Amino acid sequence: QKEVEQNSGPLSVPEGAIASLNCTYSDRVSQSFFWYRQYSGKSPELIMSIYSNGDKEDGRFTAQLNKASQYVSLLIRDSQPSDSATYLCAVNDGGGNQFYFGTGTSLTVIP
Amino acid sequence: SAVISQKPSRDICQRGTSLTIQCQVDSQVTMMFWYRQQPGQSLTLIATANQGSEATYESGFVIDKFPISRPNLTFSTLTVSNMSPEDSSIYLCSVEEAPALEAFFGQGTRLTVV
Repeated sequence: QKEVEQNSGPLSVPEGAIASLNCTYSDRVSQSFFWYRQYSGKSPELIMSIYSNGDKEDGRFTAQLNKASQYVSLLIRDSQPSDSATYLCAVNDGGGNQFYFGTGTSLTVIP
Repeated sequence: SAVISQKPSRDICQRGTSLTIQCQVDSQVTMMFWYRQQPGQSLTLIATANQGSEATYESGFVIDKFPISRPNLTFSTLTVSNMSPEDSSIYLCSVEEAPALEAFFGQGTRLTVV
């Protein structure tokens, strides 16, 4: 059984701070890694995807991947109250096209 | 990304009845997926809807309880049969888009069984 582990939180940060969200996964053959944001009562929306070791930046978001440590993270710079949501980490092994989701980290950005 | 329309958005149903959820995509996609998200939980894959063949179900989910149709490359339905309060959940359809195989979701169906 492939596992994706996240700290459920809740994580609270003040507005303007950096929020750091972490995720570990159990399957070394995982190829693709994703971060989704889910507002309460809404469906998940894709924020970032990352496939290679290192950092990938998109606006205020930076995804970091370390396959050797089986670790992926998401940094949110200059956090805004609108970033308050649950963040889901997901991995895909590429072969079966099945996604495995973590349980999510609840983030609250305090104005 | 593909536009995914899912309906109904919510429903309240009596136990013992069935509800069919529809998912329409604005482009042809090979793979469509159905997930369940119980309150406070993450997403659990129910099944993969295959066009032209039977759906592939994950452990713990069976066709008699969750029959799925996939008549073409843009449409699928999930039926929740003989419902009980334990079926109260959000049901989500999803597609994966090549080449990055990123997953995108419909708006979800919030089901309450009373």
